[in-house]
Amino acid sequence: DTAVSQTPKYLVTQMGNDKSIKCEQNLGHDTMYWYKQDSKKFLKIMFSYNNKELIINETVPNRFSPKSPDKAHLNLHINSLELGDSAVYFCASSQAGQAFFGQGTRLTVV
Amino acid sequence: DQQVKQNSPSLSVQEGRISILNCDYTNSMFDYFLWYKKYPAEGPTFLISISSIKDKNEDGRFTVFLNKSAKHLSLHIVPSQPGDSAVYFCAAAPRGAGSYQLTFGKGTKLSVIP
Repeated sequence: DTAVSQTPKYLVTQMGNDKSIKCEQNLGHDTMYWYKQDSKKFLKIMFSYNNKELIINETVPNRFSPKSPDKAHLNLHINSLELGDSAVYFCASSQAGQAFFGQGTRLTVV
Repeated sequence: DQQVKQNSPSLSVQEGRISILNCDYTNSMFDYFLWYKKYPAEGPTFLISISSIKDKNEDGRFTVFLNKSAKHLSLHIVPSQPGDSAVYFCAAAPRGAGSYQLTFGKGTKLSVIP
């Protein structure tokens, strides 16, 4: 039974398109995150939500907009995709000092 | 500016021997440290953690050591097994997190040779 699931696993799209990645956790955690792993393999936090409220927003272009309809979901919408957005995006949730990650979404912008 | 550094991109170890993965950090606000293991095409999975009030935490074959004065931590795996082959990420979090922000290192790819 998957704890943190994100869809799709792979996403190939053209520059300028708008796309969404969905994330759901069934762990009952209050806090959810989006991380980006770039070509240099850095895992960097993008956003953090606690009980549906945005609490961390790192220096991410405003083309990226997280949406949390409820505590169990944190979706990532990306507008006007650029080549540099190509990366693996990980959703995560946490409680009591430990984060659980989804399997990642490999986004390729062509 | 890398606040969490894993200077060895890769490490090869013979099965049965000890694997030692190192991690350095620069931010003195970090007080909680974690190791994650990542297989290809999967998300990182939590392995072991340590808070700054301790200098050692052990869980089975895995031990994490923390040297606060040197801002250095290490993960020891003994004995190493082929299934341990993966990328290991060191991560750190600042104190006082109601929110919980992890800063990751670049990872070290461990290969355990049978």
